[in-house]
Amino acid sequence: EVQLVESGGGLVQPGGSLRLSCAASGFTFRRYWMHWVRQAPGKGLVWVSRIDTDGSTTSYADSVKGRFTISRDNAKNTVYLQLNSLRVEDTAVYHCATIYDATTAFDIWGQGTMVTVSS
Amino acid sequence: QSALTQPASVSGSPGQSITISCTGTSSDIGNYNLVSWYQQHPGKAPKLMIYEVSKRPSGVSNRFSGSKSGNTASLTISGLQAEDEADYYCCSYAGINTFAYYVFGTGTKVTVL
Repeated sequence: EVQLVESGGGLVQPGGSLRLSCAASGFTFRRYWMHWVRQAPGKGLVWVSRIDTDGSTTSYADSVKGRFTISRDNAKNTVYLQLNSLRVEDTAVYHCATIYDATTAFDIWGQGTMVTVSS
Repeated sequence: QSALTQPASVSGSPGQSITISCTGTSSDIGNYNLVSWYQQHPGKAPKLMIYEVSKRPSGVSNRFSGSKSGNTASLTISGLQAEDEADYYCCSYAGINTFAYYVFGTGTKVTVL
């Protein structure tokens, strides 16, 4: 079964840091670009970041550029999102997702991990 | 990177058809045929319903259809069923110069009356 499972969320104070992980299984992870998408409580989906197959190319939404860093370990079938200088407005469920079945859209999603930024 | 604009809510009776609009700009919807639609039930991960404007992934009911005109995309649900009650989001590939990204819509809550 093709699956993505996120972990690493939690409660952190403003200005703090957190590292999220997304473990992939059931497919050849190293062949696929990976993305992070977040959803604040009661709000819509927002694309956050993406990384290419070998980690050489990354891109970020303006709202997180310079604060978040995406990376991957193909040997561990895992993609990461390092969250630094966290703000209250970063509070959200963070999903990893990928374009898997030649649909050119996000057809595989993880259930998400909750990040709460609060003092 | 402004969100695409969707109506906050749309409702219909069982068996009826409803259409959800998604308005963007010439940098996203107007420039790429890479519009997708997602269904999200409360507490669940989004599910892909439409990709490349009008294509359905395997397993998605043919009651769901998509289209695009200019900077606006649309999702139509025909033969509305109780299980269709959910939030729906459009999404478009976008680009400015060499920077490519994705932009989602504001979301539409579909209520089956």
